[in-house]
Amino acid sequence: GENVEQHPSTLSVQEGDSAVIKCTYSDSASNYFPWYKQELGKGPQLIIDIRSNVGEKKDQRIAVTLNKTAKHFSLHITETQPEDSAVYFCAASYNQGGKLIFGQGTELSVKP
Amino acid sequence: NAGVTQTPKFQVLKTGQSMTLQCAQDMNHNSMYWYRQDPGMGLRLIYYSASEGTTDKGEVPNGYNVSRLNKREFSLRLESAAPSQTSVYFCASSPLAGYTDTQYFGPGTRLTVL
Repeated sequence: GENVEQHPSTLSVQEGDSAVIKCTYSDSASNYFPWYKQELGKGPQLIIDIRSNVGEKKDQRIAVTLNKTAKHFSLHITETQPEDSAVYFCAASYNQGGKLIFGQGTELSVKP
Repeated sequence: NAGVTQTPKFQVLKTGQSMTLQCAQDMNHNSMYWYRQDPGMGLRLIYYSASEGTTDKGEVPNGYNVSRLNKREFSLRLESAAPSQTSVYFCASSPLAGYTDTQYFGPGTRLTVL
C-alpha cells in the first residue's frame, strides 16, 4: 500500500522567511496530493492540492511542486507570517479507490 | 452552515466501556470518513462511507464499528474501549465519492481510555 514520508517534523523560521516542507510517496499510481493545515485545537483544513497532470501550483504565498519521477512533492510558503504557525500535513491518493494516506505532519513555528 | 459537527468534544472512558462518537454534516456531501490522530503518526483512516448504507474499512478498523444512518450522519462506535484507543478522532466529509476530493474536517473528539 501507499506510504507517505514527511520532513521535517518541526520547522522554525523568522517572520518573512520562506518555509519548505517535503514529502515522498511510494505508490507510483498516486495522482492526487493535497496539503492540509491544522491550527491548535481544530480539524485540518485543505490549503492547496495538486494533481499529477501538473508540476506546480500556486496560490498567493503558497505553492506546491510535484516530481512524479522521483515520487516527491513539496509545500513552499513565502513571506511567512505568525498566523502561518500550525501543523501541516501532506497526503497522497489515487483514483479507483486509493485511500488518502497522510504524512506524519510538520509543526511550523514562525517567530515574529 | 455549521459544516461538520462532532459530539462529544471530550470523553474519558474506563477500559471495557463502550461509547458512540457522533458526526453530522450539513453540506449535502456524499462521502464521510473517520480518522484517528496520534502524535507523530499523522491521520489514519478508520472507516469510510461513500453513501448511505455503505461502509469500507480503512487502515486501522479493528476495535471500531460504524453506521451511516443517513446522508448527514456517520457514527463511530467503540464496543469495548482499550487504552490503545486513546486518541483524537476526526470526522470528515467530501462532496464526491472516493479520496481525490477536498475533505472537510470536524473539530475533533479527544478520547482518553484509562
